[in-house]
Amino acid sequence: GENVEQHPSTLSVQEGDSAVIKCTYSDSASNYFPWYKQELGKGPQLIIDIRSNVGEKKDQRIAVTLNKTAKHFSLHITETQPEDSAVYFCAAKIAVGNEKLTFGTGTRLTIIP
Amino acid sequence: DSGVTQTPKHLITATGQRVTLRCSPRSGDLSVYWYQQSLDQGLQFLIQYYNGEERAKGNILERFSAQQFPDLHSELNLSSLELGDSALYFCASSVAASGGDTQYFGPGTRLTVL
Repeated sequence: GENVEQHPSTLSVQEGDSAVIKCTYSDSASNYFPWYKQELGKGPQLIIDIRSNVGEKKDQRIAVTLNKTAKHFSLHITETQPEDSAVYFCAAKIAVGNEKLTFGTGTRLTIIP
Repeated sequence: DSGVTQTPKHLITATGQRVTLRCSPRSGDLSVYWYQQSLDQGLQFLIQYYNGEERAKGNILERFSAQQFPDLHSELNLSSLELGDSALYFCASSVAASGGDTQYFGPGTRLTVL
């Protein structure tokens, strides 16, 4: 089955700097890659997703890049703010035929004021 | 607020007991997914229902079962509880069954087994 690895497990950055979280996946059939943000005591919240026919997607300060050949995708957060502090999860899914999301192990991002 | 609701928020029970967790999907969503989040296992997919029928199964124990009712709400039943079942249980919903649909997560139920 699919296996998703996520790095780093913890990340601290100064407010205003950029943060990058990387994930690799094993199943070349995976073609949907969402990123979730989980704050303490809350459920995962979708922040951005990308499908395999696209190499990059951007939404304000957040961007995701996908390299299907290398089977890795990354989350980029620019101009970080204290409210960006949370645990971030990447996930991968085969869009047709297998409905489960396989999650990475999470990255705890801390923004230092 | 994702629009997915889960009850109860917290549940404390003893080993050997049985509990039921409830989930109401977002309005219009036909698929419901259950996930377990524990410290050592991360977020693990348990099971999916689509319009009342089981669609996909993940790492769900035989002691656990789920169902989706005609009004599309879903229940996850956990029986013969063990200490290791203590975890956060999340429900997610999406519009359809496949096609890379976005899954929206509820706030979760924290289960503590003593």
